[in-house]
Amino acid sequence: TQLLEQSPQFLSIQEGENLTVYCNSSSVFSSLQWYRQEPGEGPVLLATVVTGGEVKKLKRLTFQFGDARKDSSLHITAAQPGDTGLYLCAGGFEDTGRRALTFGSGTRLQVQP
Amino acid sequence: EADIYQTPRYLVIGTGKKITLECSQTMGHDKMYWYQQDPGMELHLIHYSYGVNSTEKGDLSSESTVSRIRTEHFPLTLESARPSHTSQYLCASSAPTGGTEKLFFGSGTQLSVL
Repeated sequence: TQLLEQSPQFLSIQEGENLTVYCNSSSVFSSLQWYRQEPGEGPVLLATVVTGGEVKKLKRLTFQFGDARKDSSLHITAAQPGDTGLYLCAGGFEDTGRRALTFGSGTRLQVQP
Repeated sequence: EADIYQTPRYLVIGTGKKITLECSQTMGHDKMYWYQQDPGMELHLIHYSYGVNSTEKGDLSSESTVSRIRTEHFPLTLESARPSHTSQYLCASSAPTGGTEKLFFGSGTQLSVL
């Protein structure tokens, strides 16, 4: 059973466009993290959201956590080629007793110059 | 910057060989993890450790084994490699930050078994 669903799976856009990627679950997250991974490297943490309804802005990236803490989104404004990569959400769950983060399947973003 | 290192970066070996993937961190983190990832796909947790002499299997069944004799070192061993083991293996350690865990990843080992 896939606990974390990410959409879209693939996204190819032009430089300067805006985009949003989503992360959804039927379970409640205790926390939700977003990572970006470049080819041949490990994921790097972008942001963590922990409170229902939380909105966190980091330069051109905006992270939202749903009120019920079952979903999250990442919005990128004015995308740049350097934003290209695999975006992964990772959740800690309250109701499954999981002791490590569970990762979603990822959204592969390509930004064309 | 995180200080977590994996060696080798790339490994090509024949079927039946025994291999050990090395992972070391210098941050003093108690928690360490091994994830398996196929190209462009999600990460699957295969092993984790809460500290010295503490190891547990993750969500994805794996024929590999791990050990945690020292805090900084968390090697993964395959006794007899098979082509189905071909994948990228990512090691991570974590530290508690604001009520949650922040993961620091190594650069990974890309394993190819012929």
